[in-house]
Amino acid sequence: GAGVSQSPSNKVTEKGKDVELRCDPISGHTALYWYRQSLGQGLEFLIYFQGNSAPDKSGLPSDRFSAERTGGSVSTLTIQRTQQEDSAVYLCASSLEISYNEQFFGPGTRLTVL
Amino acid sequence: SQKIEQNSEALNIQEGKTATLTCNYTNYSPAYLQWYRQDPGRGPVFLLLIRENEKEKRKERLKVTFDTTLKQSLFHITASQPADSATYLCALSSNDYKLSFGAGTTVTVRA
Repeated sequence: GAGVSQSPSNKVTEKGKDVELRCDPISGHTALYWYRQSLGQGLEFLIYFQGNSAPDKSGLPSDRFSAERTGGSVSTLTIQRTQQEDSAVYLCASSLEISYNEQFFGPGTRLTVL
Repeated sequence: SQKIEQNSEALNIQEGKTATLTCNYTNYSPAYLQWYRQDPGRGPVFLLLIRENEKEKRKERLKVTFDTTLKQSLFHITASQPADSATYLCALSSNDYKLSFGAGTTVTVRA
């Protein structure tokens, strides 16, 4: 079966522009997670979804970041008015459910803000 | 503040030897701990999960220990192979959903 997919794989944008990153989780996985990985750093938790609901948005770095999930499947992470410090690899993961489960990661979207 | 520390230096070992990676944490009471492998340009891949009431877990050539008193996990790769070369990430969770990751240890196995 297909794994987690993310698009685009690479995104170069100019400072101040908005970007939208997409994640397609594994079919049937109810839980979806977004992380950010900066060069030489560990993964930073951003937000998770249980179904279409995001109970905890405290990991989002600023109010320029938002995420949604529709139909319990595809999720989009939107960054408005991008800044250079937003440059990183954005990783999406899904798991069967929210409970002590392994997370299956996508390949990530490398975002470069010029 | 909560902190997760892995071997700060890259680990270089000879093929056939055992690689031992360390994950130490502070100000944390994890319910479980996971180890992931990450290759360049790819997302992490799950390897092993160990719960707070478990001391040791094994999977093929991999072994993980979890000592909640020392606040430490050790990850062992026995009979290492060049294909084991990758970055290994330790991740902790004290609840159901949020994983906190260490920065990772890069392992290089020389043939």
